[in-house]
Amino acid sequence: DGGITQSPKYLFRKEGQNVTLSCEQNLNHDAMYWYRQDPGQGLRLIYYSQIVNDFQKGDIAEGYSVSREKKESFPLTVTSAQKNPTAFYLCASSQRTGAKNIQYFGAGTRLSVL
Amino acid sequence: AQTVTQSQPEMSVQEAETVTLSCTYDTSESDYYLFWYKQPPSRQMILVIRQEAYKQQNATENRFSVNFQKAAKSFSLKISDSQLGDAAMYFCAYRPPGYGQNFVFGPGTRLSVLP
Repeated sequence: DGGITQSPKYLFRKEGQNVTLSCEQNLNHDAMYWYRQDPGQGLRLIYYSQIVNDFQKGDIAEGYSVSREKKESFPLTVTSAQKNPTAFYLCASSQRTGAKNIQYFGAGTRLSVL
Repeated sequence: AQTVTQSQPEMSVQEAETVTLSCTYDTSESDYYLFWYKQPPSRQMILVIRQEAYKQQNATENRFSVNFQKAAKSFSLKISDSQLGDAAMYFCAYRPPGYGQNFVFGPGTRLSVLP
């Protein structure tokens, strides 16, 4: 079945540690996105990529980094510079344009600080 | 910049009744896309319904329908015959036309369904 797989489902970070959240899609979508969701809040865009080997900062990119070496993969690294990383992280993908520009989401990763 | 507003942080509805969730947006574009997403307690985001701005006919998906008022920049979601499984956060989203545009999400409305 086509879809977006995020792993792990739960992740714990120690102080000063970098952690990487995985996002893989087999929908053949060009565009991929990372969002952060805090309790009771909406989605805030961290980074997005419209094509392989290219990505752009979203609204809250500080303390995060990404790579897009393959079309199907868009990992997010939460660096030690992110002082408040506890949140729910959602990965999404979509076509770049056209009538089928629906954004599809993974099941999310919940990140907590030890 | 485009913005999406959902003025109702929380709503409740009795099972089998009808409820309407509000959404307004700000844009200078004439052609764009609007979406309603549902996020149940599992936190999986699910597309509920989608509207293309150039289509005057309101979109419908089973018990879910929209009231799209382009001039007023309003895009409300109506849920008929509400079911317990409809309880969730509902997010309104806007996407501009063109190549490689990003989605803009509203802050969400938490819907409770009372038995």
